Amino acid sequence: KAGVTQTPRYLIKTRGQQVTLSCSPISGHRSVSWYQQTPGQGLQFLFEYFSETQRNKGNFPGRFSGRQFSNSRSEMNVSTLELGDSALYLCASSLGSSNTGELFFGEGSRLTVL
Amino acid sequence: GENVEQHPSTLSVQEGDSAVIKCTYSDSASNYFPWYKQELGKGPQLIIDIRSNVGEKKDQRIAVTLNKTAKHFSLHITETQPEDSAVYFCAARAQGGSEKLVFGKGTKLTVNP
Repeated sequence: KAGVTQTPRYLIKTRGQQVTLSCSPISGHRSVSWYQQTPGQGLQFLFEYFSETQRNKGNFPGRFSGRQFSNSRSEMNVSTLELGDSALYLCASSLGSSNTGELFFGEGSRLTVL
Repeated sequence: GENVEQHPSTLSVQEGDSAVIKCTYSDSASNYFPWYKQELGKGPQLIIDIRSNVGEKKDQRIAVTLNKTAKHFSLHITETQPEDSAVYFCAARAQGGSEKLVFGKGTKLTVNP
């Protein structure tokens, strides 16, 4: 069974540009969550999608957005990139049907903003 | 909102010794507590979890304990091996429809051969 797949794995952007990251969840999983990981702040929750609807949102500016498609695949977008957006962006998937369900992470997309 | 404190931030042990990592949480409504292991260049991997109706759970060399009254939970690794070296994260999830996890800052465990 394939795990959570994130693309691209690495990317470099300059300030002011935008970026789109993609996540394919484990087959059968309907919930996708996104986290930002930095050395200073650790793992911070961005948002969660279930059945194409945003179910929860973290405390990030409106430049961070996401969506989920009917096949449960998800994308997140960051517009007007800032140096501080450099981070590892992690996607996680779960069945989504239980509040105590396991969350499985992908390898992440490492974004560097110059 | 929920806050999770994790200690220590770094831990160095000799191969074969035990390692203990402790976390406290603030939201008494939290009912799910997973532990993740993250190796360099990889995403976090779930190693064990515990739900609030259970006080202790064990899986081979790994065990987790939960004290709901004190709002803290701990990870115990026995007979440590060099391949246990990684960063470990605890997390907590509150009751409700969301699966959002709040993570501790992580513990870098080094097992010296």
